[in-house]
Amino acid sequence: GQSLEQPSEVTAVEGAIVQINCTYQTSGFYGLSWYQQHDGGAPTFLSYNALDGLEETGRFSSFLSRSDSYGYLLLQELQMKDSASYFCAVRAISSGSARQLTFGSGTQLTVLP
Amino acid sequence: GAVVSQHPSWVICKSGTSVKIECRSLDFQATTMFWYRQFPKQSLMLMATSNEGSKATYEQGVEKDKFLINHASLTLSTLTVTSAHPEDSSFYICSARDHNSTYEQYFGPGTRLTVT
Repeated sequence: GQSLEQPSEVTAVEGAIVQINCTYQTSGFYGLSWYQQHDGGAPTFLSYNALDGLEETGRFSSFLSRSDSYGYLLLQELQMKDSASYFCAVRAISSGSARQLTFGSGTQLTVLP
Repeated sequence: GAVVSQHPSWVICKSGTSVKIECRSLDFQATTMFWYRQFPKQSLMLMATSNEGSKATYEQGVEKDKFLINHASLTLSTLTVTSAHPEDSSFYICSARDHNSTYEQYFGPGTRLTVT
């Protein structure tokens, strides 16, 4: 099976930079995804890393190190609207289905004024 | 981007009744759809994976006779919660994979089920 670990909560102020780490244990690894979820809403896709390195999309960047089974999501120039839960998710082969997503427990980010 | 809809967005039902939740991919064809359940302040837990035209694959611990999944077309999957109990109250989210995409899954807005 798969397991992921990420911090349960992070607090930062507007304009700051925050990094949310994710470590995982899995077999049949394909890649690491990040999702944002506001209270009561559906997860929205932020990024996907299949290869080592940094992927940048606007204020958000995501990094993966396959050898370390580690990744992170970097949020820059934080805004109040970034307050949400952030989930890392491993895409891997599973006995149930090929290439399914397994989610971490989520990190609640609170952005303070 | 691709849009996935769910209906209803919320539903309240009595114990012992059945509830059907629909998941539709609006502007793409989804050969694979996933059903997740999320309890408050918790992660999304995969319940089952459905492939169009075949039986769903259920995750360990999920009762297939209680959570009936039908993926009858490339744009529609349904989840029926049978003989609902209060402990089935949860946020049910579907996700669809565009058959042209190798990795991206698009999530529906979720359905909040409350069983009284």
